Amino acid sequence: QKEVEQDPGPLSVPEGAIVSLNCTYSNSAFQYFMWYRQYSRKGPELLMYTYSSGNKEDGRFTAQVDKSSKYISLFIRDSQPSDSATYLCAMSVVRLQGAQKLVFGQGTRLTINP
Amino acid sequence: EAGVAQSPRYKIIEKRQSVAFWCNPISGHATLYWYQQILGQGPKLLIQFQNNGVVDDSQLPKDRFSAERLKGVDSTLKIQPAKLEDSAVYLCASSLVPTDNEQFFGPGTRLTVL
Repeated sequence: QKEVEQDPGPLSVPEGAIVSLNCTYSNSAFQYFMWYRQYSRKGPELLMYTYSSGNKEDGRFTAQVDKSSKYISLFIRDSQPSDSATYLCAMSVVRLQGAQKLVFGQGTRLTINP
Repeated sequence: EAGVAQSPRYKIIEKRQSVAFWCNPISGHATLYWYQQILGQGPKLLIQFQNNGVVDDSQLPKDRFSAERLKGVDSTLKIQPAKLEDSAVYLCASSLVPTDNEQFFGPGTRLTVL
């Protein structure tokens, strides 16, 4: 079983729709939960991160973490064509020497149709 | 602020040949990471440096992969000899400190092994 599972999609929705992206995980030691966005032929860029269970909002994006169910979600409101990208969930645990190790999901390819 | 620089952007080689990738992290970033991203998958950590010391190389195939970070700045990742399954995008990332939640990624080097 993979430590982090993410539905690869692809997911295609019309402009303005609400998008829901999800990941599940098996490692209870994960402490930080992140969402990265990766445009084609580019490296990933951090969208949001959260530490605790609950919701965190940033503009049109809301990250949700449920540690009891080992489930995280990213919601995108009023989706725009510029949101078309691959979305990667990532989780980390702080190891000895304080070093973070990120474990990524497979990524969900999202297309927003005008 | 300049981002993470990587070169070359693309490389095509025959199996059993050697190849090297170069990374220049963001100025002042002490921590440097190399990831392998196979098509359709999330990035997988190969090696993590703190300054010029190795923090984690547990997932680096050491029989064929090597990496160094001389003087704690630039880094080189080498594959010798390459196999077909090494075809992937090799991403370099850096962070200010090892506990930083945000890693900044370069554009990657796309390697094709024929």
